[in-house]
Amino acid sequence: NAGVTQTPKFQVLKTGQSMTLQCAQDMNHNSMYWYRQDPGMGLRLIYYSASEGTTDKGEVPNGYNVSRLNKREFSLRLESAAPSQTSVYFCASSERLAGGQMGDTQYFGPGTRLTVL
Amino acid sequence: QQQVKQSPQSLIVQKGGISIINCAYENTAFDYFPWYQQFPGKGPALLIAIRPDVSEKKEGRFTISFNKSAKQFSLHIMDSQPGDSATYFCAASTEGYSTLTFGKGTMLLVSP
Repeated sequence: NAGVTQTPKFQVLKTGQSMTLQCAQDMNHNSMYWYRQDPGMGLRLIYYSASEGTTDKGEVPNGYNVSRLNKREFSLRLESAAPSQTSVYFCASSERLAGGQMGDTQYFGPGTRLTVL
Repeated sequence: QQQVKQSPQSLIVQKGGISIINCAYENTAFDYFPWYQQFPGKGPALLIAIRPDVSEKKEGRFTISFNKSAKQFSLHIMDSQPGDSATYFCAASTEGYSTLTFGKGTMLLVSP
């Protein structure tokens, strides 16, 4: 099993350009997430999808859109990139949202390092 | 408003020493508290987790201590090794339909 895969690994954009970050999981998980990680800011949730067909905003959704293409795939789109979106982006998945008897482990991908000039 | 406050931001410990990372929360509805470990260039991975019905959970050299009345929990790494050098995140969530709220992370360096 590959777990959670993300493409691309690195990307450099100019201000105003658009791009889509791809994420796929092979664990048959229901829930998927997009986070951004910035120095000193920890992991901040951008969007999540509790189950196929649903998406919800997280803590920092402005400037992003998402698509839950199917159960396996969850993409993140930057329509008009800005330097403030320079960050490392992580996709994660879990069997279901956190909570329940013991919560649910989130499995993270290797990340996409994005630089917006 | 940050719901999970983590300290310290960075920590240097000698090999064989004890590393202690602390987290505090305000939301009394939180009832699941995981710790994630992240090595440079990698995604975070679950290390250990606890629910508030127990005060301590131990897995090998890693222990979570939980103080419900103080709304605090901490990660203790006994006999710290250079291979433990990583960034550690605490997190919390509520039962049911909920996402994780992460602390800002602690960068641990274990010196040989």
